Amino acid sequence: RKEVEQDPGPFNVPEGATVAFNCTYSNSASQSFFWYRQDCRKEPKLLMSVYSSGNEDGRFTAQLNRASQYISLLIRDSKLSDSATYLCVVNMEYGNKLVFGAGTILRVKS
Amino acid sequence: DTGVSQNPRHKITKRGQNVTFRCDPISEHNRLYWYRQTLGQGPEFLTYFQNEAQLEKSRLLSDRFSAERPKGSFSTLEIQRTEQGDSAMYLCASSTSTVRNIQYFGAGTRLSVL
Repeated sequence: RKEVEQDPGPFNVPEGATVAFNCTYSNSASQSFFWYRQDCRKEPKLLMSVYSSGNEDGRFTAQLNRASQYISLLIRDSKLSDSATYLCVVNMEYGNKLVFGAGTILRVKS
Repeated sequence: DTGVSQNPRHKITKRGQNVTFRCDPISEHNRLYWYRQTLGQGPEFLTYFQNEAQLEKSRLLSDRFSAERPKGSFSTLEIQRTEQGDSAMYLCASSTSTVRNIQYFGAGTRLSVL
Protein backbone atom coordinates (compact mmCIF):
# COMPACT_ATOMS: atom_id res chain seq x y z
CA ARG A 1 0.00 0.00 0.00
CA LYS A 2 1.31 3.46 -0.86
CA GLU A 3 2.01 5.78 2.06
CA VAL A 4 -0.13 8.55 0.53
CA GLU A 5 -2.90 7.76 -1.93
CA GLN A 6 -4.86 10.12 -4.16
CA ASP A 7 -7.30 9.74 -7.02
CA PRO A 8 -5.20 10.73 -10.07
CA GLY A 9 -8.20 12.19 -11.93
CA PRO A 10 -8.29 14.12 -14.15
CA PHE A 11 -11.14 16.15 -12.77
CA ASN A 12 -12.62 18.19 -15.63
CA VAL A 13 -14.85 20.95 -14.28
CA PRO A 14 -16.40 24.14 -15.67
CA GLU A 15 -15.41 27.55 -14.37
CA GLY A 16 -17.29 28.40 -11.21
CA ALA A 17 -17.71 24.80 -10.11
CA THR A 18 -16.86 23.44 -6.69
CA VAL A 19 -14.49 20.48 -6.68
CA ALA A 20 -13.17 18.29 -3.88
CA PHE A 21 -10.09 16.11 -3.70
CA ASN A 22 -9.42 13.41 -1.15
CA CYS A 23 -6.30 11.74 0.10
CA THR A 24 -5.53 8.95 2.56
CA TYR A 25 -2.28 8.27 4.40
CA SER A 26 -1.07 5.06 5.99
CA ASN A 27 1.09 6.16 8.90
CA SER A 28 -1.01 7.11 11.92
CA ALA A 29 2.05 8.77 13.49
CA SER A 30 2.21 11.39 10.73
CA GLN A 31 2.77 14.84 12.14
CA SER A 32 1.93 17.50 9.60
CA PHE A 33 -0.02 17.73 6.40
CA PHE A 34 -0.04 19.94 3.34
CA TRP A 35 -1.47 20.49 -0.09
CA TYR A 36 1.03 21.55 -2.73
CA ARG A 37 0.17 22.68 -6.23
CA GLN A 38 2.31 21.78 -9.23
CA ASP A 39 1.96 23.30 -12.68
CA CYS A 40 3.16 21.37 -15.71
CA ARG A 41 6.96 21.01 -15.69
CA LYS A 42 7.29 23.36 -12.71
CA GLU A 43 8.24 22.81 -9.08
CA PRO A 44 5.68 22.05 -6.35
CA LYS A 45 4.49 25.14 -4.50
CA LEU A 46 2.84 25.15 -1.11
CA LEU A 47 -0.89 25.80 -1.41
CA MET A 48 -1.79 25.42 2.25
CA SER A 49 -1.05 23.55 5.43
CA VAL A 50 -3.80 21.34 6.82
CA TYR A 51 -4.81 21.55 10.46
CA SER A 52 -6.96 19.23 12.55
CA SER A 53 -9.53 21.96 13.07
CA GLY A 54 -9.80 22.56 9.33
CA ASN A 55 -8.64 25.73 7.68
CA GLU A 56 -9.67 28.03 4.89
CA ASP A 57 -7.74 30.32 2.59
CA GLY A 58 -10.01 32.25 0.26
CA ARG A 59 -11.66 29.76 -2.08
CA PHE A 60 -9.70 26.84 -0.66
CA THR A 61 -10.69 24.76 2.37
CA ALA A 62 -8.63 21.90 3.80
CA GLN A 63 -9.77 19.31 6.30
CA LEU A 64 -7.92 16.63 8.25
CA ASN A 65 -9.50 13.58 9.87
CA ARG A 66 -6.81 11.88 11.95
CA ALA A 67 -9.10 9.02 13.03
CA SER A 68 -9.75 8.05 9.41
CA GLN A 69 -6.29 9.18 8.19
CA TYR A 70 -7.96 11.27 5.55
CA ILE A 71 -7.24 14.72 4.13
CA SER A 72 -9.42 16.75 1.80
CA LEU A 73 -9.19 19.91 -0.29
CA LEU A 74 -12.24 21.83 -1.47
CA ILE A 75 -11.98 24.47 -4.17
CA ARG A 76 -14.95 26.78 -4.62
CA ASP A 77 -15.70 28.96 -7.65
CA SER A 78 -13.01 27.29 -9.78
CA LYS A 79 -10.93 29.53 -12.04
CA LEU A 80 -9.10 28.60 -15.23
CA SER A 81 -5.89 29.37 -13.34
CA ASP A 82 -6.65 26.61 -10.82
CA SER A 83 -5.81 24.03 -13.50
CA ALA A 84 -2.82 22.13 -12.11
CA THR A 85 -1.85 18.95 -10.27
CA TYR A 86 -2.65 18.99 -6.57
CA LEU A 87 -0.27 16.99 -4.39
CA CYS A 88 -1.30 15.65 -1.00
CA VAL A 89 1.75 15.71 1.26
CA VAL A 90 2.46 14.18 4.65
CA ASN A 91 5.38 14.81 6.99
CA MET A 92 5.93 11.55 8.84
CA GLU A 93 8.27 13.00 11.43
CA TYR A 94 9.03 16.56 12.35
CA GLY A 95 11.95 17.90 10.37
CA ASN A 96 12.14 14.90 8.16
CA LYS A 97 11.16 14.04 4.62
CA LEU A 98 7.86 14.85 2.98
CA VAL A 99 5.92 11.97 1.47
CA PHE A 100 3.91 12.94 -1.61
CA GLY A 101 0.91 11.40 -3.22
CA ALA A 102 1.05 10.97 -6.99
CA GLY A 103 -1.19 14.01 -7.44
CA THR A 104 -4.68 14.78 -8.67
CA ILE A 105 -5.02 16.56 -12.00
CA LEU A 106 -7.57 19.37 -12.19
CA ARG A 107 -8.63 20.92 -15.48
CA VAL A 108 -10.95 23.90 -15.30
CA LYS A 109 -12.62 24.73 -18.60
CA SER A 110 -14.49 27.80 -19.79
CA ASP B 1 15.49 36.26 -6.16
CA THR B 2 15.82 34.81 -2.66
CA GLY B 3 14.21 31.45 -3.38
CA VAL B 4 15.84 28.04 -3.78
CA SER B 5 18.13 28.03 -6.80
CA GLN B 6 19.14 24.95 -8.78
CA ASN B 7 21.67 24.57 -11.56
CA PRO B 8 21.71 23.50 -14.27
CA ARG B 9 18.03 23.57 -15.22
CA HIS B 10 18.49 20.90 -17.84
CA LYS B 11 21.17 18.27 -18.34
CA ILE B 12 21.47 15.82 -21.19
CA THR B 13 24.12 13.15 -20.82
CA LYS B 14 25.11 9.83 -22.25
CA ARG B 15 24.75 6.64 -20.30
CA GLY B 16 27.80 5.96 -18.17
CA GLN B 17 28.77 9.60 -17.68
CA ASN B 18 28.88 11.36 -14.31
CA VAL B 19 26.72 14.41 -13.60
CA THR B 20 26.61 16.90 -10.75
CA PHE B 21 23.79 19.20 -9.77
CA ARG B 22 23.91 22.17 -7.43
CA CYS B 23 21.32 23.58 -5.04
CA ASP B 24 21.48 26.90 -3.22
CA PRO B 25 18.83 27.01 -0.47
CA ILE B 26 17.05 30.02 0.97
CA SER B 27 19.79 31.70 2.97
CA GLU B 28 18.39 31.33 6.48
CA HIS B 29 17.25 27.72 5.99
CA ASN B 30 19.37 25.12 7.75
CA ARG B 31 17.62 22.07 6.29
CA LEU B 32 18.09 20.98 2.69
CA TYR B 33 16.37 18.11 0.90
CA TRP B 34 16.78 16.32 -2.41
CA TYR B 35 13.84 14.64 -4.17
CA ARG B 36 13.40 12.92 -7.50
CA GLN B 37 10.26 13.10 -9.61
CA THR B 38 9.30 11.04 -12.63
CA LEU B 39 6.38 11.62 -14.96
CA GLY B 40 3.00 11.03 -13.35
CA GLN B 41 4.42 10.58 -9.87
CA GLY B 42 4.90 12.84 -6.89
CA PRO B 43 8.40 13.72 -5.75
CA GLU B 44 10.24 10.94 -3.90
CA PHE B 45 12.63 11.68 -1.06
CA LEU B 46 16.32 11.00 -1.66
CA THR B 47 18.24 12.57 1.22
CA TYR B 48 18.35 15.50 3.60
CA PHE B 49 20.84 17.63 5.51
CA GLN B 50 20.62 19.64 8.64
CA ASN B 51 23.43 22.15 8.29
CA GLU B 52 26.34 20.08 6.94
CA ALA B 53 25.20 16.76 8.44
CA GLN B 54 23.48 14.27 6.14
CA LEU B 55 20.82 12.83 8.44
CA GLU B 56 18.89 10.43 6.23
CA LYS B 57 19.27 8.68 2.90
CA SER B 58 16.53 6.84 1.05
CA ARG B 59 16.90 3.32 -0.28
CA LEU B 60 16.44 5.01 -3.67
CA LEU B 61 19.88 6.54 -3.22
CA SER B 62 22.08 3.79 -4.64
CA ASP B 63 25.84 3.81 -4.21
CA ARG B 64 26.08 5.67 -7.53
CA PHE B 65 24.49 8.69 -5.88
CA SER B 66 26.28 10.97 -3.44
CA ALA B 67 25.25 14.26 -1.91
CA GLU B 68 27.25 16.80 0.03
CA ARG B 69 26.69 20.03 1.84
CA PRO B 70 30.20 20.87 2.92
CA LYS B 71 29.68 24.23 4.63
CA GLY B 72 26.03 23.93 5.48
CA SER B 73 25.06 26.25 2.66
CA PHE B 74 24.81 24.97 -0.93
CA SER B 75 24.58 21.27 -1.73
CA THR B 76 25.64 19.08 -4.64
CA LEU B 77 24.14 15.83 -5.85
CA GLU B 78 26.38 13.65 -7.99
CA ILE B 79 25.29 10.65 -10.02
CA GLN B 80 28.07 8.40 -11.24
CA ARG B 81 27.81 6.05 -14.23
CA THR B 82 24.38 7.35 -15.16
CA GLU B 83 21.73 4.92 -16.38
CA GLN B 84 18.63 5.60 -18.46
CA GLY B 85 16.51 4.96 -15.36
CA ASP B 86 18.11 8.00 -13.73
CA SER B 87 16.23 10.28 -16.14
CA ALA B 88 13.97 12.40 -13.95
CA MET B 89 13.49 15.83 -12.44
CA TYR B 90 15.76 16.34 -9.44
CA LEU B 91 14.24 18.77 -6.97
CA CYS B 92 15.88 20.52 -4.07
CA ALA B 93 13.96 22.00 -1.16
CA SER B 94 14.89 23.88 1.98
CA SER B 95 13.27 24.65 5.30
CA THR B 96 13.93 26.01 8.75
CA SER B 97 13.93 23.93 11.93
CA THR B 98 10.32 24.55 12.83
CA VAL B 99 7.74 22.03 13.88
CA ARG B 100 5.70 22.25 10.70
CA ASN B 101 8.72 21.90 8.41
CA ILE B 102 7.31 23.79 5.44
CA GLN B 103 9.62 23.06 2.53
CA TYR B 104 10.18 25.40 -0.40
CA PHE B 105 11.27 23.93 -3.70
CA GLY B 106 13.64 25.03 -6.40
CA ALA B 107 12.73 24.82 -10.08
CA GLY B 108 14.57 21.52 -10.40
CA THR B 109 17.17 20.02 -12.72
CA ARG B 110 15.73 17.88 -15.50
CA LEU B 111 18.12 15.05 -16.35
CA SER B 112 17.89 13.10 -19.57
CA VAL B 113 20.19 10.09 -19.95
CA LEU B 114 20.52 8.92 -23.55
